[in-house]
Amino acid sequence: EIVMTQSPATLSVSPGERATLSCRASQSVSSNLAWYQQKPGQAPRLLIYGASTRATGIPARFSGSGSGTEFTLTISSLQSEDFAVYYCQQYNNWPITFGQGTRLEIK
Amino acid sequence: EVQLVESGGGLVQPGRSLRLSCTASGFTFGDYAMSWVRQAPGKGLEWVGFIRSKAYGGTTEYAASVKGRFTISRDDSKSIAYLQMNSLKTEDTAVYYCTRLVVTAIAFDYWGQGTLVTVSS
Repeated sequence: EIVMTQSPATLSVSPGERATLSCRASQSVSSNLAWYQQKPGQAPRLLIYGASTRATGIPARFSGSGSGTEFTLTISSLQSEDFAVYYCQQYNNWPITFGQGTRLEIK
Repeated sequence: EVQLVESGGGLVQPGRSLRLSCTASGFTFGDYAMSWVRQAPGKGLEWVGFIRSKAYGGTTEYAASVKGRFTISRDDSKSIAYLQMNSLKTEDTAVYYCTRLVVTAIAFDYWGQGTLVTVSS
């Protein structure tokens, strides 16, 4: 099973600033990596798949990069609605696995 | 508008069974693979299983934690996906989400609102 490790566990950033979230895979997942956003009491929302392709309706301030074992989700200018928990997910190998999440909080 | 609506959750004793349903609308259900993802209270996301579209054999994949106990099926004529859960354990307690897969990737582009399954005596 591929283990996905996200860092940091919690990230404190001020509105308008840039946020950089990391995700590391225990072995290569090529570009088969997705990112999700989850707000309290809501279902997750797909942000990025294929490591860098934005899902339908996702604002351009969200971008993904990386391949192999190291991936990054960047939010260029944080809006109030962006404070949430973010998960990465690999789909290169069965079983599909998620990272443990990064909580993005207001500084 | 794509909608996924789960039903069938509730309180069940350990060792018993429960079947969840996911009723889909707003897209051609039979063209898409579907998956179930769960989230224990206060915890992260855990993939449960996946069913391919009939065009790809309608075959299934499961997480090791549920393999042999859970079964995913689909009725394309009704646009419903099912999760049959047998031999339930307390650690199966979670919100269960039905998800649709992106056509070109095993990523989940639409999610239901989730249904809570509580396994307790």
